Amino acid sequence: NAGVTQTPKFQVLKTGQSMTLQCAQDMNHEYMSWYRQDPGMGLRLIHYSVGAGITDQGEVPNGYNVSRSTTEDFPLRLLSAAPSQTSVYFCASSSFGQPQHFGDGTRLSIL
Amino acid sequence: ILNVEQSPQSLHVQEGDSTNFTCSFPSSNFYALHWYRWETAKSPEALFVMTLNGDEKKKGRISATLNTKEGYSYLYIKGSQPEDSATYLCAFSGAGSYQLTFGKGTKLSVIP
Repeated sequence: NAGVTQTPKFQVLKTGQSMTLQCAQDMNHEYMSWYRQDPGMGLRLIHYSVGAGITDQGEVPNGYNVSRSTTEDFPLRLLSAAPSQTSVYFCASSSFGQPQHFGDGTRLSIL
Repeated sequence: ILNVEQSPQSLHVQEGDSTNFTCSFPSSNFYALHWYRWETAKSPEALFVMTLNGDEKKKGRISATLNTKEGYSYLYIKGSQPEDSATYLCAFSGAGSYQLTFGKGTKLSVIP
């Protein structure tokens, strides 16, 4: 039972580079979301999806894109990395009204 | 943006002490209040999901209460142990929404 799987666990990018953070869940959850965690800021919602083909913006969406082509996968794309996007990123999934299951996180540094 | 506040921001307790912390949230349009436990270098893990006013949930030495009319929830830890050291997060969800708005957490350190 893998739960929520995030890859990679660590990544260092240069300013301006693009990359995709992968997230997959095997629990058939309709809801998936991406958060970033910064010191003193708690978990802030970047983007979320309530089902395949449906995505929407959270609190801090600028600089990020998402897509949801399948129930299982919800990748997060950084289009042109900036130092302000240095953070720890968490993917989570749930069914409606149920606790969210989190991945192990991706620690991203932008130089 | 919804306002979910947790207090205190951090606290240190001696092993064996009991402790509690607070989460305040909007009292309107309420659906559920979640509590998560977040150990350093790990991911948050769910403790409780509470939906009914007056609800009380318990897991081992940890319990939580909910007051939706006044918009607060308490998390209690009885007889704290070093392994209880973690950040405790609460999160609010509104009616009809999947989204959670998280507080910034209370960081608990239990001193042996």
